[in-house]
Amino acid sequence: DTAVSQTPKYLVTQMGNDKSIKCEQNLGHDTMYWYKQDSKKFLKIMFSYNNKELIINETVPNRFSPKSPDKAHLNLHINSLELGDSAVYFCASSQDPLAGRQETQYFGPGTRLLVL
Amino acid sequence: EDKVVQSPLSLVVHEGDTVTLNCSYEVTNFRSLLWYKQEKKAPTFLFMLTSSGIEKKSGRLSSILDKKELFSILNITATQTGDSAVYLCAVVTYGQNFVFGPGTRLSVLP
Repeated sequence: DTAVSQTPKYLVTQMGNDKSIKCEQNLGHDTMYWYKQDSKKFLKIMFSYNNKELIINETVPNRFSPKSPDKAHLNLHINSLELGDSAVYFCASSQDPLAGRQETQYFGPGTRLLVL
Repeated sequence: EDKVVQSPLSLVVHEGDTVTLNCSYEVTNFRSLLWYKQEKKAPTFLFMLTSSGIEKKSGRLSSILDKKELFSILNITATQTGDSAVYLCAVVTYGQNFVFGPGTRLSVLP
């Protein structure tokens, strides 16, 4: 069974649209993350959620909003898409870093977003 | 600002060679350092290092951390074409910030 899954794998859309990317983990982890990897392959963290609380919010535009309906899911909503949003978005999960547990992150397969 | 630097940025070797990848960092409240391998898709975890001088090994891969000099190395011995990938170094801080380096692109030729 896939540990961290994301849907869709590919997303092609027009500028100005609103879209969502879903992420689910079946590892029982406490913390989930969203990363953006741009065309230069630089990986940057966007958000992390722990027990439904946002604990990291890097300086991303407020057009991006994470939503966590439960501990196993962290969805990413993007409003008014722009050309610069084109990238690969990775979801990841780990145990709670604050609890002193293993910080190994397990990544989903990625969602390739192309904004036209 | 927290920063992670990796070198070299790219490396081409032949099968059987041994390679050393470098990662240096400047962060506030260092907690741990992680190494990942990224092929075509998502990164996969290799090692987590928290203490200086303790080598972690997994098959032909090994890594060590020097917290005094603020760097880590990843060694790969007897390289194979399947080792071709981007190797990412990331540092985790007590502020729960994950900072990734730019990666080293390793190409192993047959």
